[in-house]
Amino acid sequence: GENVEQHPSTLSVQEGDSAVIKCTYSDSASNYFPWYKQELGKRPQLIIDIRSNVGEKKDQRIAVTLNKTAKHFSLHITETQPEDSAVYFCRFSGGYNKLIFGAGTRLAVHP
Amino acid sequence: NAGVTQTPKFQVLKTGQSMTLQCAQDMNHNSMYWYRQDPGMGLRLIYYSASEGTTDKGEVPNGYNVSRLNKREFSLRLESAAPSQTSVYFCASSDGTSREAKNIQYFGAGTRLSVL
Repeated sequence: GENVEQHPSTLSVQEGDSAVIKCTYSDSASNYFPWYKQELGKRPQLIIDIRSNVGEKKDQRIAVTLNKTAKHFSLHITETQPEDSAVYFCRFSGGYNKLIFGAGTRLAVHP
Repeated sequence: NAGVTQTPKFQVLKTGQSMTLQCAQDMNHNSMYWYRQDPGMGLRLIYYSASEGTTDKGEVPNGYNVSRLNKREFSLRLESAAPSQTSVYFCASSDGTSREAKNIQYFGAGTRLSVL
């Protein structure tokens, strides 16, 4: 069935370093790939997304890249700051409106 | 404009008790979802409703039932609560009007449920 794998599960970086999180999916019918951020004790919120007809999208320090042939998309955070510490989720469509999240990556940015 | 509202925020149940989690959205969204999030874990889809009048099973539907009462409201019912259902439950909604829709989801604040 439909599946999305997210790696790594935890990531620890020093402030100012870059962080990369990758999701691999199984269903080639997906055409929209968002990333959500969840701070401790709060609800998930969309931070960036990309459509399948685009290879890369940037928004200040965050970017998302998509490789449809290899069926993976990645979140890139540059110049990380302590406020980037959170859990990040990719999301995948397992069918019309059947929206499934990756297992999450806990990012810790150390000052 | 409150977005997605969930009630209650906290609940403690005894094994075997039943309860209904309520969710309402005021964004005129077509699609609504229920997820559970266990400690340190991801969001797992329980049930979803692509549009008013339809509901479908997600990844972990066993032990739950849902009702899409109208376009605004989507409730989740636990008929006989079990300790394994201790979790944080999130409701979400999106404007899933077509297969090309972005389905940007807006989440409620969550319901923290403990089953003893």
